[in-house]
Amino acid sequence: AQKVTQTQTSISVMEKTTVTMDCVYETQDSSYFLFWYKQTASGEIVFLIRQDSYKKENATVGHYSLNFQKPKSSIGLIITATQIEDSAVYFCAMREDLSGSFNKLTFGAGTRLAVCP
Amino acid sequence: DMKVTQMPRYLIKRMGENVLLECGQDMSHETMYWYRQDPGLGLQLIYISYDVDSNSEGDIPKGYRVSRKKREHFSLILDSAKTNQTSVYFCASRDRGYEQYFGPGTRLTVL
Repeated sequence: AQKVTQTQTSISVMEKTTVTMDCVYETQDSSYFLFWYKQTASGEIVFLIRQDSYKKENATVGHYSLNFQKPKSSIGLIITATQIEDSAVYFCAMREDLSGSFNKLTFGAGTRLAVCP
Repeated sequence: DMKVTQMPRYLIKRMGENVLLECGQDMSHETMYWYRQDPGLGLQLIYISYDVDSNSEGDIPKGYRVSRKKREHFSLILDSAKTNQTSVYFCASRDRGYEQYFGPGTRLTVL
């Protein structure tokens, strides 16, 4: 069974610095997809970035990037030059590529990020 | 602009009452989902719908049922709501790509 674990409950950083949020996952599948979502204070959940397991290059979108360490089953989210509006809860999620599981996302418990001025 | 809507946004019910949560999407996505979110537990999958009248249980389906009679609408039904079903419920849809698009959520309180 797939499992996603985010051990950091909350993080606080100063504005304009870089922050890394950790996520480890468990899967029996050799092909899977990893996602990060952001939930704002209003409750809105927004997709941020995706990493495909077969890709060696770390995904990057804007000031979000990933640190994919496949041997460690780890997918960290890196936010550079943080802004106040990056304050939110960040969820890591995984989807396996198995038949019957292809449509299912498993989420971690989330990490609350506070960016301070 | 791709959009997932949910109605109502807030709902208060008494234990034993029936609850209907509605979700709509204007993207003709085949796959839709219902999740619940509780503090410290992230998002838990209740049901998946692959298309009209093609639904599958998620991880926590007990106490819930769903209905999908049109591709753009997906309903979550609680027959005789219980206090432990107090939660925030999210609907999502997915196209043939990878990302899920989430609705704004419904905050349900069962007294």
